[in-house]
Amino acid sequence: DAGITQSPRHKVTETGTPVTLRCHQTENHRYMYWYRQDPGHGLRLIHYSYGVKDTDKGEVSDGYSVSRSKTEDFLLTLESATSSQTSVYFCAISKGMETQYFGPGTRLLVL
Amino acid sequence: SQQGEEDPQALSIQEGENATMNCSYKTSINNLQWYRQNSGRGLVHLILIRSNEREKHSGRLRVTLDTSKKSSSLLITASRAADTASYFCATVLINTDKLIFGTGTRLQVFP
Repeated sequence: DAGITQSPRHKVTETGTPVTLRCHQTENHRYMYWYRQDPGHGLRLIHYSYGVKDTDKGEVSDGYSVSRSKTEDFLLTLESATSSQTSVYFCAISKGMETQYFGPGTRLLVL
Repeated sequence: SQQGEEDPQALSIQEGENATMNCSYKTSINNLQWYRQNSGRGLVHLILIRSNEREKHSGRLRVTLDTSKKSSSLLITASRAADTASYFCATVLINTDKLIFGTGTRLQVFP
């Protein structure tokens, strides 16, 4: 987890409210990723970034948006949280198409 | 649908035994990676094997790749209780910059 932090680590929110998760890195890696992990599905890519202001969708991007205004920060926003977005969210970073380094995760509960 | 599927979904063994996990994937890859996840933690990279490699070793880990069968295996020799974790394969597809994870194998090593 060294070099990658996620905040908050735990969050409980209500359906319909906006939620923003933050990923911060100190490694100056080019790529940053947001995944969600749910039982029976493994990790699924939500969005990723290949540079400042450069982002692209993953396999489960509906209902999520991202922003990267600085190399070190990658924000994931749930515009209007739904119960189906209850999950554990992981941020990851990488230099290129090889090893990814993961953050500690954020547990989100949407009531 | 998932690019990678691990088999078995769960595996229980005694300390000292070997553990073998298999991963199958669907489309051509640039490389295949194995990650470990301890309960409640982020994923940790174990080993990467490129599409032009057939076998790779790292300590007690041995990974094989058969691109003709679109499959890989992870062998952990002389397992320890500390190896208890979930293990995921992940693939980087040709001409993409995304890592696609399988659903994982839960390994339990009893002392």
